[in-house]
Amino acid sequence: DIQMTQSPSTLSASVGDRVTITCRASQSISSWLAWYQQKPGKTPNLLIYQASTLQSGVPSSFSGSGSGTEFSLTISSLQPDDFATYYCQQYDSYPWTFGQGTKVEIK
Amino acid sequence: EVQLLESGGGLVQPGGSLRLSCAASGFSFSNYAMSWVRQAPGKGLEWVSGISSSGGSTYYADSVKGRFTISRDNSKTTLYLQMNSLSAEDTAVYYCAKAPYQLLYSVYYYYMDVWGKGTTVTVSS
Repeated sequence: DIQMTQSPSTLSASVGDRVTITCRASQSISSWLAWYQQKPGKTPNLLIYQASTLQSGVPSSFSGSGSGTEFSLTISSLQPDDFATYYCQQYDSYPWTFGQGTKVEIK
Repeated sequence: EVQLLESGGGLVQPGGSLRLSCAASGFSFSNYAMSWVRQAPGKGLEWVSGISSSGGSTYYADSVKGRFTISRDNSKTTLYLQMNSLSAEDTAVYYCAKAPYQLLYSVYYYYMDVWGKGTTVTVSS
């Protein structure tokens, strides 16, 4: 199975900050990576697929990059609504696997 | 509007069974693969199972293989997850998700774009 490792596990930041979350795959997954945002008690929301394609309706302050084994999610200017937990997920091969999550907290 | 509504969760004893349903609307259900994902209390997301649009191909996480069965009824636009031999480790919120595809060199790659609100399964005596 492909292991997905996110860093950091927790990130403390202020409104307006630029933040980057990293996701590493244990083997190459080309660009078959998605990013999700989840708020407490809510359903996960797709932000990005194929590593860098922004899902319709997602603010352009979110961007994704990377290929192979190294990926990143960047929020260019953190807004109050962005404080949440973020997960990466590979869909290159079954079983699909998620990273452990990165919680973005208010500093 | 795409809607996915899970049902069938509840309290079940260890070793018991449960069948989850996911009623889909607002899209052409028979054209999309579907998946189940779960989240144990206070934990991260875990993919559980997936099924092709026709139902002819199914996929499972190692943790549920041999115990869970995914199926679908395209005429009823409903996805199912039959769960047997349940243990406390299966306690979680179970989400169903719609899975559109990307095609590259005749290979299909699916991701999950819309999720339901989830149904809670608690395995306890």
